[in-house]
Amino acid sequence: QKEVEQDPGPLSVPEGAIVSLNCTYSNSAFQYFMWYRQYSRKGPELLMYTYSSGNKEDGRFTAQVDKSSKYISLFIRDSQPSDSATYLCAMSAGAQKLVFGQGTRLTINP
Amino acid sequence: GAVVSQHPSWVICKSGTSVKIECRSLDFQATTMFWYRQFPKQSLMLMATSNEGSKATYEQGVEKDKFLINHASLTLSTLTVTSAHPEDSSFYICSAGDRGNLAGELFFGEGSRLTVL
Repeated sequence: QKEVEQDPGPLSVPEGAIVSLNCTYSNSAFQYFMWYRQYSRKGPELLMYTYSSGNKEDGRFTAQVDKSSKYISLFIRDSQPSDSATYLCAMSAGAQKLVFGQGTRLTINP
Repeated sequence: GAVVSQHPSWVICKSGTSVKIECRSLDFQATTMFWYRQFPKQSLMLMATSNEGSKATYEQGVEKDKFLINHASLTLSTLTVTSAHPEDSSFYICSAGDRGNLAGELFFGEGSRLTVL
């Protein structure tokens, strides 16, 4: 079993829809949870960063962490075609050493 | 957010040659940088942790003599792929965190695409 599981998709939704992306993990030591967006042939861009459980909102993006269920989510509201990318969850127990999910390929259709 | 720069963004080399990739933190100091490898449609796989002023720490299965890492300053780490072969063709990405940021956020470079002929 992988430490971090993420459905690779692909996921295709119409413009304006709410997108829900999820990851599960097995290592209870993880405390830092991140979501990255990666466009084709580019490096990952940090979208959201959360420490421990709870919600965090930034514009159209909301990150949720449920440590009791070992489950994290990223919601994108009012999705735009420019949001089409691969979204990677990542987490760490500390020392900045990240473990990544496989990434979900998302397409927003105009 | 903080800026991490990688160079070159794309390199093509002949089999048997060595290639150096640079990773720079432009507006912060990073005592630790990380090197990843990413195959098409795959996630990032950590190769090694680059520590300023000391030897890099390699992940299991990564040949340290093949992938030489040097972290000579707080803003620069280099990855040298020695005696490159076609199977080394991949997307190499570095990341760094601001040592002043105890929260541990990491920022990534734009990646370097290596093609070995």
